[in-house]
Amino acid sequence: KAGVTQTPRYLIKTRGQQVTLSCSPISGHRSVSWYQQTPGQGLQFLFEYFSETQRNKGNFPGRFSGRQFSNSRSEMNVSTLELGDSALYLCASSWEGHSTDTQYFGPGTRLTVL
Amino acid sequence: DAKTTQPTSMDCAEGRAANLPCNHSTISGNEYVYWYRQIHSQGPQYIIHGLKNNETNEMASLIITEDRKSSTLILPHATLRDTAVYYCIVRAQTGANNLFFGTGTRLTVIP
Repeated sequence: KAGVTQTPRYLIKTRGQQVTLSCSPISGHRSVSWYQQTPGQGLQFLFEYFSETQRNKGNFPGRFSGRQFSNSRSEMNVSTLELGDSALYLCASSWEGHSTDTQYFGPGTRLTVL
Repeated sequence: DAKTTQPTSMDCAEGRAANLPCNHSTISGNEYVYWYRQIHSQGPQYIIHGLKNNETNEMASLIITEDRKSSTLILPHATLRDTAVYYCIVRAQTGANNLFFGTGTRLTVIP
């Protein structure tokens, strides 16, 4: 069974631009969560989607948004990029998104903002 | 979710068992202990989880103390590919699905 896939793997943008990252969950998984990882803050939860609805949200500004499609694929968008948005963005999927479901992570998208 | 405490770094000789401790003294009865690892700049990889009993899978063993206030992840025969940051996470059975990652333990397997 294929794992979680994320595209693109690497991305370079400049300040003020916007970016869209994509995540395809493991087949059959309906919950997708997004995390940001930076050297200073570590791994932090952004938001979770289930059945095309945002079900849970971390403490990030509104410039960070996401959506989920009917096939459970998810995208996250960051608008008006700042230098501090440079990070590894990770997507994780699980069956139903219950707190007892194991989350499986993708390889991440490395975003560099210049 | 309960807070966890792990050593910042550990070394282990290749071929020997790596024992990674985790303290979770405030864990409550409905909280699981999960272990993930992250090899440099890759996504975290699920290793194992448990509630009360010791658990074993093809990757590792998880030993949870009887009072559940601490646990140890055991990699029975460490290889160079096991060099990674290991995260111990305590997770409730109910509530939000998100994981809280601490700073983890950086395990270096030495040839």
